Amino acid sequence: NAGVTQTPKFQVLKTGQSMTLQCAQDMNHNSMYWYRQDPGMGLRLIYYSASEGTTDKGEVPNGYNVSRLNKREFSLRLESAAPSQTSVYFCASGELGQGTTEAFFGQGTRLTVV
Amino acid sequence: GIQVEQSPPDLILQEGANSTLRCNFSDSVNNLQWFHQNPWGQLINLFYIPSGTKQNGRLSATTVATERYSLLYISSSQTTDSGVYFCAVISSGTYKYIFGTGTRLKVLA
Repeated sequence: NAGVTQTPKFQVLKTGQSMTLQCAQDMNHNSMYWYRQDPGMGLRLIYYSASEGTTDKGEVPNGYNVSRLNKREFSLRLESAAPSQTSVYFCASGELGQGTTEAFFGQGTRLTVV
Repeated sequence: GIQVEQSPPDLILQEGANSTLRCNFSDSVNNLQWFHQNPWGQLINLFYIPSGTKQNGRLSATTVATERYSLLYISSSQTTDSGVYFCAVISSGTYKYIFGTGTRLKVLA
């Protein structure tokens, strides 16, 4: 049981480049989330998808776009990377909301923008 | 939106000591979890505890939802308990899963 899988694990981008972070879960969860964690800080919510076909902004959505490709997959896109987006990105899934249960997190993607 | 504050922000303990970490939230919630982030950055689920009390070995947690706080107890601390402890909540009626500010724990041998 893989749980939540994020790819890639590490990435270095040049300023202005674009990239997509991938997240897949095999627990049949409806809700999926993207967070960023800056050094020495807590996790901040970027975007979330309460269910397949819906996405909503979190606390820090600027500079990002998301796609809920299907129930399993939720991707995060940086269209024009900036050094301020250097961070560790975490994806999570769960049955969060009505009839809520616990959330599970991926291993994280460490992104450096130079 | 909901505010989630944790205290203390930093804690240093000698191995074997006990500690209590607190999570205060500003609105009613229907989900609360405690996580341990180890020194390698991995987030480990400790407790799913929107209300009541749970225990798992040396760790236990209590959430008093009506008073908007949760406590995480660590007994007989070990060096492997070091890391950052986060609580995370969902406000009732929303799907936004918001993390607290964290408590950084260091356990000395």
